[in-house]
Amino acid sequence: ILNVEQSPQSLHVQEGDSTNFTCSFPSSNFYALHWYRWETAKSPEALFVMTLNGDEKKKGRISATLNTKEGYSYLYIKGSQPEDSATYLCAFTPNTGNQFYFGTGTSLTVIP
Amino acid sequence: DAGVTQSPTHLIKTRGQQVTLRCSPKSGHDTVSWYQQALGQGPQFIFQYYEEEERQRGNFPDRFSGHQFPNYSSELNVNALLLGDSALYLCASSIRRGGGYTFGSGTRLTVV
Repeated sequence: ILNVEQSPQSLHVQEGDSTNFTCSFPSSNFYALHWYRWETAKSPEALFVMTLNGDEKKKGRISATLNTKEGYSYLYIKGSQPEDSATYLCAFTPNTGNQFYFGTGTSLTVIP
Repeated sequence: DAGVTQSPTHLIKTRGQQVTLRCSPKSGHDTVSWYQQALGQGPQFIFQYYEEEERQRGNFPDRFSGHQFPNYSSELNVNALLLGDSALYLCASSIRRGGGYTFGSGTRLTVV
């Protein structure tokens, strides 16, 4: 069983603050790293797919980086807004199969 | 363009019963994966179907079985339900090994 860890488990920030989360995954047999945003009672929404060491992706105020050699990815949110409140999940895909290994998520609450 | 559709959204079953959950993939997707998310956990891979065959399976007992139909839709069947099967069941569709998943909003199963 491959272990994917996310930290922190939960986070409360004030509107306008910038924040970041960490996803740790096995550094061997890497194929891809995915970030999802999941609001309560909705479907998880894909944010980024990263496959190359050093990848950096950006979508609006959200960005992510990838380090496959040491097995971690950071997700950054600049100037958090209440609508950013959600659980952020990362998932690791090894090159040995098609399944995703998910972390337990970081629950973000942005306080107006 | 419809995304992934799952039915039902909620259901309650008695221990020992059998249940069938259904999933229609996003248009253009040919691969369906099923995940179980228990309380406080990240989604755990159950199995993946492609070309009407189970292609990969996670660490779940044989009580969990599935099927994929020619139109790519899929069913997840769970026999002899246990209290521990209570969870959110997520269906995700994809183009085989291409990009990430598109998720449905899940079926919440409660076993009493």
